[in-house]
Amino acid sequence: QVQLVESGGGLVKPGGSLRLSCAASGFTFSDYYMSWIRQAPGKGLEWVSYISSSGSTIYYADSVKGRFTISRDNAKNSLYLQMNSLRAEDTAVYYCARDTYYGGDPVFDYWGQGTLVTVSS
Amino acid sequence: QSVLTQPPSVSGAPGQRVTISCTGSSSNIGAGYDVHWYQQLPGTAPKLLIYGNSNRPSGVPDRFSGSKSGTSASLAITGLQAEDEADYYCQSYDSSLSGPSWVFGGGTKLTVL
Repeated sequence: QVQLVESGGGLVKPGGSLRLSCAASGFTFSDYYMSWIRQAPGKGLEWVSYISSSGSTIYYADSVKGRFTISRDNAKNSLYLQMNSLRAEDTAVYYCARDTYYGGDPVFDYWGQGTLVTVSS
Repeated sequence: QSVLTQPPSVSGAPGQRVTISCTGSSSNIGAGYDVHWYQQLPGTAPKLLIYGNSNRPSGVPDRFSGSKSGTSASLAITGLQAEDEADYYCQSYDSSLSGPSWVFGGGTKLTVL
């Protein structure tokens, strides 16, 4: 079955960096687009970044553009999010999600359990 | 401020029918992009509930249904059950001048009375 397992979250000071990982299994990772989505404590969902199956196409939300970098290693079935210049407002649970096209527009059909990033001094 | 607008909360008694609205604009729902719905049970990750406006993934009961018209979409839940108490989010695709983005509603908390 499809599994997405995030890791790398933790407590970091403002201005610091953190690298999140998402290990995928149960499907052919290299065939699928992937995204990172976050949820601040007690708040709603916010899409963060998208990467195509080959890694050639990448998009970011305006709120993280220039600070975050998404990447993937298809040989390792892994997705990454390098987060630099972190701010308090980046505090959230970060989910990786599989991006699928059911003949229409992209939909997140599988999600990981999330990893908590806390930015605080 | 979310790009898609949902009511913060709805409630209903067991067995009743509730609907949750999701309003967008001409750059997302109104542009013809699909609306998807996710259910987030307390303390868990979101789960896909409805895709492509009105389709249910395997395993989702037919008590859940979705529709879309113009710049809005709706999720309907019939025969409310206690286990339906959760947060529900709509999601679509947006093609604004700053580039493509995946947008969510602010979420609706469903309380089963």
